[in-house]
Amino acid sequence: DVKVTQSSRYLVKRTGEKVFLECVQDMDHENMFWYRQDPGLGLRLIYFSYDVKMKEKGDIPEGYSVSREKKERFSLILESASTNQTSMYLCASSSPGTSGTYNEQFFGPGTRLTVL
Amino acid sequence: GNSVTQMEGPVTLSEEAFLTINCTYTATGYPSLFWYVQYPGEGLQLLLKATKADDKGSNKGFEATYRKETTSFHLEKGSVQVSDSAVYFCALGYGGATNKLIFGTGTLLAVQP
Repeated sequence: DVKVTQSSRYLVKRTGEKVFLECVQDMDHENMFWYRQDPGLGLRLIYFSYDVKMKEKGDIPEGYSVSREKKERFSLILESASTNQTSMYLCASSSPGTSGTYNEQFFGPGTRLTVL
Repeated sequence: GNSVTQMEGPVTLSEEAFLTINCTYTATGYPSLFWYVQYPGEGLQLLLKATKADDKGSNKGFEATYRKETTSFHLEKGSVQVSDSAVYFCALGYGGATNKLIFGTGTLLAVQP
C-alpha cells in the first residue's frame, strides 16, 4: 500500500521557535509538495520539489523554507514560528506530469500545528 | 491564469438524496481535472479524475464529466450515504512535469440518517 507519512499529527510550538515538519514517501516519486490548509481558503501551495536538492516557491512561501536531501524525504521549516502560521500542513507526492496529462498526488494525513 | 471555483458549503442532505457539488475552472491549455475527498481527521485522497474534454470520471458511485464548453466538472452522486460525509475538493492539474494542482476552497458535505 502506497504511503506518505508525516512526522507528527499534532504539534504545539511557541512564537519564535524553529519548527521542522517532516514528510516521507515510499513511492519513489520525483515530485513532493507542502501545502497549508485553512478554512475557506482550501489548500495553498507553500513549496514544491521536483528532484533531490531542487525546490521552487509556491504561492505562499514567506516565512517558510524546505529541504530535500534524499528523494523520499521533504522537510518544511518554519524559521521563526508566528501565530499566523497556525494551520493544518499537508504533504503530498507524485510522479511527473506529461504533456496533456497530470497525475494523482498522494497525501499524508496532515500535521495540525498550533503556534502560541 | 488558472483557477478553480466550487460551491460554498456546508451542504446538508438526508441519506439517499441526490448530490451535486458545482465546480468551474479557468485554465490555459488542457488541464486534467480532479475531485479529492477528505474524511474527518485524514489527508486528501483522490476520488476521481478526467484528463480531457467529455471524459467522465467515476468512483464509489460518484461521477463528474469534463465539460470544456461550460468549463465545468460538477460532482454528482445519485444516492448519498452517511459515510459520504466529508470535505470535497475540486482541483486542476497544471505545470507540465511539475504536476502541480490548484484547489477549490472545498465543500463540506454532511449526510444525515
